[in-house]
Amino acid sequence: SYVLTQPPSVSAAPGETARITCGGSDIGSKSVNWYQQKPGQAPVLVIYYNTDRPSVIPGRFSGSNSGNTATLTISRVEAGDEADYYCQVWDSSSDHYVFGTATKVTVL
Amino acid sequence: DVQLVESGGDLVRPGGSLRLSCAASGFTFRNYWMHWVRQAPGKGLVWVARVDSYGSETRYADSVKGRFIVSRDNAKNTLHLQMNGLKVDDTAVYYCVSSKTGSTAYFHNWGQGTLVTVSS
Repeated sequence: SYVLTQPPSVSAAPGETARITCGGSDIGSKSVNWYQQKPGQAPVLVIYYNTDRPSVIPGRFSGSNSGNTATLTISRVEAGDEADYYCQVWDSSSDHYVFGTATKVTVL
Repeated sequence: DVQLVESGGDLVRPGGSLRLSCAASGFTFRNYWMHWVRQAPGKGLVWVARVDSYGSETRYADSVKGRFIVSRDNAKNTLHLQMNGLKVDDTAVYYCVSSKTGSTAYFHNWGQGTLVTVSS
């Protein structure tokens, strides 16, 4: 089955940039989505189709995808960005959906 | 506003059954695929099941295939998950999630979740 690997944690000071990677075999050929989950809350979609952003999500969130790594970038990090972040793809070989292992973003 | 409201979560013994429901409103339910995604306490997100917009095609994670059945009632804007042969490892918050049609679609809207606890 397809596996997505994320770093357990990423930290950044307010105003800096946080980058969260999502590794998978030839992930660049897939469509990657990203979700933010704050404690006790349901996940929220922050990036879809690798680079698109829902209208309610700030422009500080952006995504990229190439080769074996997809990346979620949070620019000008704010305290409110502290959360767990998950990448997700559809695995065509199994017709199943796969989530990454989650990255906890800490704002210093 | 789009709303997905899950219900039916409970404490159940191993081997028991439970039926979850999700009431949808604020969008044209019959035009969307629907999914169940679960999250065990302190763990990550895991996709569980999918049903197409007509209710005719379903897919399941290997861990629940043969035990869980996903269905929908488009006349009542409701999604269901029949859970049989429950195991301790099925303990989780279960989220009802919508996506546009098409396998590559993203998980657009999420409910707040309902807790299922399997324990003796």
